[in-house]
Amino acid sequence: EAQVTQNPRYLITVTGKKLTVTCSQNMNHEYMSWYRQDPGLGLRQIYYSMNVEVTDKGDVPEGYKVSRKEKRNFPLILESPSPNQTSLYFCASARTGDGYTFGSGTRLTVV
Amino acid sequence: QKEVEQNSGPLSVPEGAIASLNCTYSDRVSQSFFWYRQYSGKSPELIMSIYSNGDKEDGRFTAQLNKASQYVSLLIRDSQPSDSATYLCAPDHLYNTNAGKSTFGDGTTLTVKP
Repeated sequence: EAQVTQNPRYLITVTGKKLTVTCSQNMNHEYMSWYRQDPGLGLRQIYYSMNVEVTDKGDVPEGYKVSRKEKRNFPLILESPSPNQTSLYFCASARTGDGYTFGSGTRLTVV
Repeated sequence: QKEVEQNSGPLSVPEGAIASLNCTYSDRVSQSFFWYRQYSGKSPELIMSIYSNGDKEDGRFTAQLNKASQYVSLLIRDSQPSDSATYLCAPDHLYNTNAGKSTFGDGTTLTVKP
């Protein structure tokens, strides 16, 4: 089944404790992207990758890191999470010119 | 001005009626547009893609694109309670002024009342 797999689905962590949210797609898509969704603010892009080893900042990249060493994986790293990074996170992938396939989401709470 | 603006909601229609969702965009370079449906607490799901001016129909859904007016719409005919969701409009991430960056509208929440 064609899908984007995110893990974990839910995560509660403490301020400053490094964490990684994994994202993997099995559709051989070139493009991958991370978003956060907050009430009243909609979907905002954090980072995106046009292909392997090519990443760039979206609208809200502060406090996040990404890497794209393989085509299928695009992990999101929070080196030192803070409470303002509490949010619902989505990973998405797309073939060039097509719409996105989203992962199921990761609900992150930083206390 | 926001890059993508959607008609403010929430929108409420009776079952069986036509729901009309609208979206305007500011980047004239954008070529293709996508509509996503997001149920509460779930991830967005692609429901319609439109790549050229005019109408595109898929079952009860019709997407309309007018590049001259920078306007995209989604019509849902014979609305069903299961259509109750938030609908997001987004241009293609590749063919825009900042290739790769993607922007979504804030979404219009639709409620279909039985």
